[in-house]
Parts: sequence; C-alpha cells; structure tokens
Amino acid sequence: NAGVTQTPKFRILKIGQSMTLQCTQDMNHNYMYWYRQDPGMGLKLIYYSVGAGITDKGEVPNGYNVSRSTTEDFPLRLELAAPSQTSVYFCASTNGARQETQYFGPGTRLLVL
Amino acid sequence: GENVEQHPSTLSVQEGDSAVIKCTYSDSASNYFPWYKQELGKRPQLIIDIRSNVGEKKDQRIAVTLNKTAKHFSLHITETQPEDSAVYFCAATTYNNNDMRFGAGTRLTVKP
Repeated sequence: NAGVTQTPKFRILKIGQSMTLQCTQDMNHNYMYWYRQDPGMGLKLIYYSVGAGITDKGEVPNGYNVSRSTTEDFPLRLELAAPSQTSVYFCASTNGARQETQYFGPGTRLLVL
Repeated sequence: GENVEQHPSTLSVQEGDSAVIKCTYSDSASNYFPWYKQELGKRPQLIIDIRSNVGEKKDQRIAVTLNKTAKHFSLHITETQPEDSAVYFCAATTYNNNDMRFGAGTRLTVKP
C-alpha cells in the first residue's frame, strides 16, 4: 500500500490564482481530513469527510473548498489564493472517526506571493 | 472549543537523559490524547496515545501520563537518542477526530 499520497510537493502561487491540492489513499478509509500547518505551529483542521459525498467544515475552512466523489480521493481547492494561505498542507485518513490513528500524507508546501 | 497549550517550545537534552513535554487542555470532555513526532520536512507520525480511562501508558522508552483532574498530560522519553530529535505535538479530542486540537509543538534536540 502507498498509504496517503499528496501532489504536488511544492507550489508557488500568485495572489488571486487558484489551485487544487490532490490527496489519495489506498487503505479504503472512509474518513479523510485536510490540515494546514503554519511555521512553528500545530496542525489545524480545514475540512473533513466521513465518506464519499459527505464533507464538513473544520476549524479553519475559510478560503477553501473540498469534494469527495470517491472513497480514495479528497481534493482541496483554493479559489483565490492569499498570502495568509502560505502553509504546509497535510491530508490524513483514518479507518474510523472515533479516536483512530490518523495516517498523514507527505504534505504540500504552498507559497502564495 | 478545545484549546491545547504545550510546553516547552524547545528542549535540548544530552543523549541518555530524559525529556518531558507537557500539555494542558481546556475542554473537560476531551478523552483521547495522541502524541505525534514530526521529523524535519516529514509528515507527523503517531508515537503513542492515551485515553481518559487510564492514567499512564508506556511503550519502550516512551510513556504518557494523564491527569484528568488537572487537565494535563505529559510525554516522557527516557534514555534519549539523537534520532529522537524532532518536533513533538500533543493533541486532544473528544469522541471524534473531527474536533482534534493540536499543541504548537516542542522542538526536541538530543545532543550526542
């Protein structure tokens, strides 16, 4: 199993541009999460999904959108990039919602200039 | 909502010494407390976790203690090795992972 994979690894965006961060897991996990990690800080939950077709907001959802059309994929969309969205983005998945171990992807480093 | 504070922000120890990282949480409903290790440029990885129905859990050189009354929990690493050098994050959540809150992290450096 590849586990959780993310693309791209690194991206530079100009203010106002849009992009999609890709996340795929091959563990047949129903629950998937998007976090952002600002320098010197812990992770903050952006959005999560409890299964295909179901998504919900986390702690810091503003400026982002998600979709979950399949169990495997959980893309994160930035519509109008802002410097405040400069961060490292981690996708994670779990076998269940309740206190299960979260498996993280390798992260996407995003720089908005 | 939950607020997790973590101390210290940096910790430097000599190889073989012990390291202790402390976290406090605000929501008395929190009942699951995982600890993650993140090496430079890598993804966070779970190293140990504890649920509120136990006070201590140990896995080889790593242990976690929980004081529900005081709402704090700690990570203990004994006989530290250079490969323990990383950033460690504590987290707290209630029944679901959807409300997990992370501490700001502790950068541990183990000097050989």
